[in-house]
Amino acid sequence: KAGVTQTPRYLIKTRGQQVTLSCSPISGHRSVSWYQQTPGQGLQFLFEYFSETQRNKGNFPGRFSGRQFSNSRSEMNVSTLELGDSALYLCASSPVEGGGYTFGSGTRLTVV
Amino acid sequence: DAKTTQPPSMDCAEGRAANLPCNHSTISGNEYVYWYRQIHSQGPQYIIHGLKNNETNEMASLIITEDRKSSTLILPHATLRDTAVYYCIVYDRGSTLGRLYFGRGTQLTVWP
Repeated sequence: KAGVTQTPRYLIKTRGQQVTLSCSPISGHRSVSWYQQTPGQGLQFLFEYFSETQRNKGNFPGRFSGRQFSNSRSEMNVSTLELGDSALYLCASSPVEGGGYTFGSGTRLTVV
Repeated sequence: DAKTTQPPSMDCAEGRAANLPCNHSTISGNEYVYWYRQIHSQGPQYIIHGLKNNETNEMASLIITEDRKSSTLILPHATLRDTAVYYCIVYDRGSTLGRLYFGRGTQLTVWP
């Protein structure tokens, strides 16, 4: 079956712009989580959605937001981009609470 | 914060067994031990998980001590493609709400 699909794979944006990243979970998976990975901070949890509701949120500023659609697809948005937002953004899906998480290949965002 | 402690790096000769240790001395009764690995710039890949008993699948074996305070991931015949960062994670499957604490993991280098 198809895995977790993240688009786009690579993105270059300018400071001050906003960006939207997309994640399509494995069919039937209702939980979608987002992570930011940087060399300095490692993998850090952003937020989690389940049945279109945000259930958990990490320690990131309000510039980072997300949503989930009725088909479980999820998007995350970063507004007013800063250089420090350059990172690999990863999405993971799970069929049920606490089940195994399957990660996508990520979106590499570079802010210049 | 990560609840696990792993050595930052290890190396192993190709064809030999790679034994990756993990300490999780504060693990609670409901928490499982999960192992993921991340090959450079890709999303983390699930390897194996367990609660109390030792587990084996086509990729690896997981040995959990009787007191559950530590575990070892065993790759029985390491290949060059096993070079990756290996993460040991513990979490309660009923309450994680998508948040996994990855820590820094162990960089395993397999040499020819």
